[in-house]
Amino acid sequence: GAGVSQSPSNKVTEKGKDVELRCDPISGHTALYWYRQSLGQGLEFLIYFQGNSAPDKSGLPSDRFSAERTGGSVSTLTIQRTQQEDSAVYLCASTLDALPLHFGNGTRLTVT
Amino acid sequence: GNSVTQMEGPVTLSEEAFLTINCTYTATGYPSLFWYVQYPGEGLQLLLKATKADDKGSNKGFEATYRKETTSFHLEKGSVQVSDSAVYFCALRPGAGSYQLTFGKGTKLSVIP
Repeated sequence: GAGVSQSPSNKVTEKGKDVELRCDPISGHTALYWYRQSLGQGLEFLIYFQGNSAPDKSGLPSDRFSAERTGGSVSTLTIQRTQQEDSAVYLCASTLDALPLHFGNGTRLTVT
Repeated sequence: GNSVTQMEGPVTLSEEAFLTINCTYTATGYPSLFWYVQYPGEGLQLLLKATKADDKGSNKGFEATYRKETTSFHLEKGSVQVSDSAVYFCALRPGAGSYQLTFGKGTKLSVIP
């Protein structure tokens, strides 16, 4: 079956522009996570969804970052007024209950 | 709070060498422990897991034992191959019903022929 799908795979944007990153989780997975992977920093938790609600947004770095999930499926991570320090690989993962996470291949964001 | 510390990389080994990647953790309660692997250009994949003390997770020749007394979950493989070249992440989930996975910073392994 299909795994977690993220798009685009690569995104280059100019500083100050807004970007949207999309995640299609595995069908039926109720939990969805966004992580950020920066060089030398490991994986940084951003936000967690259970269904369409986000009980934990504590990892979002600033109010320029937001995320939503609709229909208990697709999620979009939006970064407004991008800065160079936002450059990273953004990873999405999904799971059912407390089973291990299934990750997508990520979106590599480069802010110039 | 919860945290995972793993050995700094990069690690470079010759083919058929023995591999150990150290991982220690800090957590309240009884966490589950995981090793994830990220091959070049791919997403993270679960490599193995252990859910309670003294459990041994194993997969693809890799093993890790959950040691509560030393709060460790070291990854080992007896004979590495070039195809094992990847970044390895140790992770924990704090306890039953918990949703968040805390990751270490990753250890890059390069295996040369």
